[in-house]
Amino acid sequence: GQQLNQSPQSMFIQEGEDVSMNCTSSSIFNTWLWYKQDPGEGPVLLIALYKAGELTSNGRLTAQFGITRKDSFLNISASIPSDVGIYFCAGQPAGGTSYGKLTFGQGTILTVHP
Amino acid sequence: EAQVTQNPRYLITVTGKKLTVTCSQNMNHEYMSWYRQDPGLGLRQIYYSMNVEVTDKGDVPEGYKVSRKEKRNFPLILESPSPNQTSLYFCASSLLSQRGTGELFFGEGSRLTVL
Repeated sequence: GQQLNQSPQSMFIQEGEDVSMNCTSSSIFNTWLWYKQDPGEGPVLLIALYKAGELTSNGRLTAQFGITRKDSFLNISASIPSDVGIYFCAGQPAGGTSYGKLTFGQGTILTVHP
Repeated sequence: EAQVTQNPRYLITVTGKKLTVTCSQNMNHEYMSWYRQDPGLGLRQIYYSMNVEVTDKGDVPEGYKVSRKEKRNFPLILESPSPNQTSLYFCASSLLSQRGTGELFFGEGSRLTVL
């Protein structure tokens, strides 16, 4: 199946620092999404992007849908301890036979030191 | 409260003993999907369903079966579990829309160990 390369795999940062992570794909996606997974829970949707070039914010989070439709990034500003968790990117291809498929990246494990 | 409920949350079983992980959602979502999460591999899609009686393979369907007889339920069946199916499993659901099916609501996960 399609693969997403998400980086970095892990980050250790101090509270208050900004964070950046990204995902790249060899295939074109029509939708990019970013999820966060808290320890012991299921992932929760943070931001959904539907248009190439789109830049969307959700509080301290900002995500962009790359112009080539093969990449996306997520920025977190002024990190706080509750930002700890695993962040996943996900991409969905165009319609047709792959309409219901959703491919996830490997995840970025974020640790925030107070 | 809108939710996706999975059972059991934890299960230890032995090779070859058939098991079913149930998944139920109360949001009237058309789309449901199963994922497995393994360290370093992220979430990988096992099967998905666009609506009742419509199911399709994801990226890692081998060794699994699903059914969608009712809109709210989407059980995952392991007919003959093997140790390589030891994993954390998530069920998820979403509305079908022109924008796709990616805005998923996830269950809390089912941790399965096959000895």
